[in-house]
Amino acid sequence: TQLLEQSPQFLSIQEGENLTVYCNSSSVFSSLQWYRQEPGEGPVLLVTVVTGGEVKKLKRLTFQFGDARKDSSLHITAAQPGDTGLYLCAGGGNTNAGKSTFGDGTTLTVKP
Amino acid sequence: ETGVTQSPTHLIKTRGQQVTLRCSSQSGHNTVSWYQQALGQGPQFIFQYYREEENGRGNFPPRFSGLQFPNYSSELNVNALELDDSALYLCASSPSYNSPLHFGNGTRLTVT
Repeated sequence: TQLLEQSPQFLSIQEGENLTVYCNSSSVFSSLQWYRQEPGEGPVLLVTVVTGGEVKKLKRLTFQFGDARKDSSLHITAAQPGDTGLYLCAGGGNTNAGKSTFGDGTTLTVKP
Repeated sequence: ETGVTQSPTHLIKTRGQQVTLRCSSQSGHNTVSWYQQALGQGPQFIFQYYREEENGRGNFPPRFSGLQFPNYSSELNVNALELDDSALYLCASSPSYNSPLHFGNGTRLTVT
């Protein structure tokens, strides 16, 4: 069974600070997704990384896939209250993203 | 373009009862995956349907069953409800089994 561990579980910061959250596994994933989920809503896909060492940027968010494709990180620069939410990583084969294994997420609170 | 819609949004059932949850896929999507998200945890894969056939199942007992209809809408049925079945049930559709997931906002099921 492939497991994904996310850390920290909870993170509370002030607006303008930087932060990094992590997603680690002992298994190799051929692709990894990051989602953000807000209360009362379903997860929304932020990015998919597929190549070891890959770095993708989405405005103030930077995603990195580990060289061995076992871990990933999400870095947010100058966090804003609108970044508040549950950040989930999910690993799935390239052949079937619908059968993804999710971590338990990092709950981020950005205080104004 | 209509997104993924789930009904009902909230449901309260008694232990031992049966429940049916519904999902309307995004237009053009032929694959639907169901996930269970317990409080404080990430989503767990229940099963996937592709063109009306079950296309993979997670670690859930047979009392969790599903259907996909010719219009690609889907149902999740749970028999003999247990207290631990209380969770947010998420449906996600995709254009094919190897495409990114589009989640609905879920059905919050409470079993008392």
